[in-house]
Formats: sequence, structure tokens, C-alpha cells
Amino acid sequence: EPEVTQTPSHQVTQMGQEVILRCVPISNHLYFYWYRQILGQKVEFLVSFYNNEISEKSEIFDDQFSVERPDGSNFTLKIRSTKLEDSAMYFCASSAVDSGANVLTFGAGSRLTVL
Amino acid sequence: GESVGLHLPTLSVQEGDNSIINCAYSNSASDYFIWYKQESGKGPQFIIDIRSNMDKRQGQRVTVLLNKTVKHLSLQIAATQPGDSAVYFCAENPLSGGSYIPTFGRGTSLIVHP
Repeated sequence: EPEVTQTPSHQVTQMGQEVILRCVPISNHLYFYWYRQILGQKVEFLVSFYNNEISEKSEIFDDQFSVERPDGSNFTLKIRSTKLEDSAMYFCASSAVDSGANVLTFGAGSRLTVL
Repeated sequence: GESVGLHLPTLSVQEGDNSIINCAYSNSASDYFIWYKQESGKGPQFIIDIRSNMDKRQGQRVTVLLNKTVKHLSLQIAATQPGDSAVYFCAENPLSGGSYIPTFGRGTSLIVHP
């Protein structure tokens, strides 16, 4: 069964450092998403991406964050200068449609720990 | 503001019992709802969905009920098994209005005792 893969599974970084989280969405999906989940809390939407541009973003997705699809398979989330409160599980997801029944397929997540 | 929330953060059941997980929503524009299951160390996985023109939908051992009058959604799991232990999230999104981004609730942890 097709799956979304994410790397790294866990990253520990110092506050102020840049972090890049990588995702390989399902190959025939056109819509890509990043969500995050702070420990014990709900899954929060960060950003959606379609046709090489951001289609929607939340208040959380400020100037410290950026997304990119550098080639035909990878989808990355960059945090320029990490803060302690960026510590969370980051989930990448993809979907085949962006309207109607929008079912997202999630990756296993990348756990980011900022010290 | 608009929100999706869950009534019970933790539900403990015995193996073989039926489980009911509840979810309240407040966005009257929501017309599509999804239940996701998140096992430990994994991302959320789709279980079942329902559109607002339905009040019940059944899958394999799972049933979703939608009560639009009181804006309430529930997930029923029949004959709960240890493998059902996970966090369950309801998510809502409108099928019109320009945003199709699912909004997740806080999650309910289901613990199944053998």
C-alpha cells in the first residue's frame, strides 16, 4: 500500500538552529500538507501546498517556517531559527484531491526536540 | 470561535466490549467529517468518513453517527480488540467555501484491556 515517508524520525537541535524535515508524499498525490502535534495535544494544521505554491496556511506558520518541493518527489518543511516551543511531532500528509471528500494520508511523523 | 472538541480524553474498555467515542463540533458550515486512528509512534490513519447528508455510516466493526441537530459525532467500535488501542481524532471540513483543510479535535485515547 502506498505510504508517505518522513525523515528523520527524530531530530534533536539547539535553539536557534535551522531544521529541515523531509517528506516523500504518495507519488500520484497532488496536495501536500504539514501538521504538527505538541505532546498530548491535538493535531494542528500548518500549511498546504499545491502546484508548487502554498495554498493555505495557519497562524502558526509564520516567517520562521517555509516549505519547498525541490524535486518531483520530496516535500520539505524548514524552520529557520528553532524555538523551544517548536518541539513537537511534525506530520506530513498528502491527498489526491483538495475538494469533496479530502482524505489525507499521513506519514509516521518526525519528532523535533529543541533544547 | 469555531472548534472541534472531544468529550472524553480517555476511554478504557474490556476486550470484546463495544466502544463509543464522542466528538462535538461547532462549525455549522462543516459538512464532511472523518475519524482518524493514531497508534503509538505512527501518524493518523483514516478509519471512516461521513457527509452531512447522512446520519449513519457503517464500516468493518465501526459505525459513525452524525447528529446535526446537536452537532455531535460518534464513533462506535464493535467487539473492541487490543489492536484498537490508540488515540482517535475526529476531523471536520467544509466541502465548499474554499478551504478543504481538515480541522482536528483534541483526541480520545482508547485503552483496551485484555
